[in-house]
Amino acid sequence: GQQLNQSPQSMFIQEGEDVSMNCTSSSIFNTWLWYKQEPGEGPVLLIALYKAGELTSNGRLTAQFGITRKDSFLNISASIPSDVGIYFCAGQLGGGSNYKLTFGKGTLLTVNP
Amino acid sequence: ETGVTQTPRHLVMGMTNKKSLKCEQHLGHNAMYWYKQSAKKPLELMFVYNFKEQTENNSVPSRFSPECPNSSHLFLHLHTLQPEDSALYLCASSRIEDTQYFGPGTRLTVL
Repeated sequence: GQQLNQSPQSMFIQEGEDVSMNCTSSSIFNTWLWYKQEPGEGPVLLIALYKAGELTSNGRLTAQFGITRKDSFLNISASIPSDVGIYFCAGQLGGGSNYKLTFGKGTLLTVNP
Repeated sequence: ETGVTQTPRHLVMGMTNKKSLKCEQHLGHNAMYWYKQSAKKPLELMFVYNFKEQTENNSVPSRFSPECPNSSHLFLHLHTLQPEDSALYLCASSRIEDTQYFGPGTRLTVL
């Protein structure tokens, strides 16, 4: 089956720094999603990308759908302590029975005040 | 959106117990999902229901039994579980083939 490689596995940064994480796939997806999960909670959708090359922002977050459709990245600018959590990428092929999401293993982000 | 609720939030059970997890969505979606989240592993899809009909059983052991009485409610009945079944169980909902929204999860511990 499809697999997503998400990197880095973890990051320790100082407040105010910018963050970048990415996901790569061995095959194409038609939708890329980025979720954030805080301790004791379920994943919360941050950004959805539906078109190759698309660049979308949500506040300090920016994500891009790679033109090859096999990768996506998420950037966080000027990090703050509440950015702490696990960030997951997910890919969806879509259409017919291909609605299932394939998740990366997550990037654990720690922000030091 | 925070329209997916799960109860209980925490559950401790013995291997001979029978318990049920409940999920409810208030988003008007018609697809619901159960996922298992274990440490250091990607989320694992367990079951999918579209319009109350099960469309996916991802080789889940029979000790997990889902039930979807309507498009807004989803249950996961548990019986004779094993310690390795301890995990966070997440419910999600969506419009068919659309973006999934997750509930807060039930943290299950099997003793």
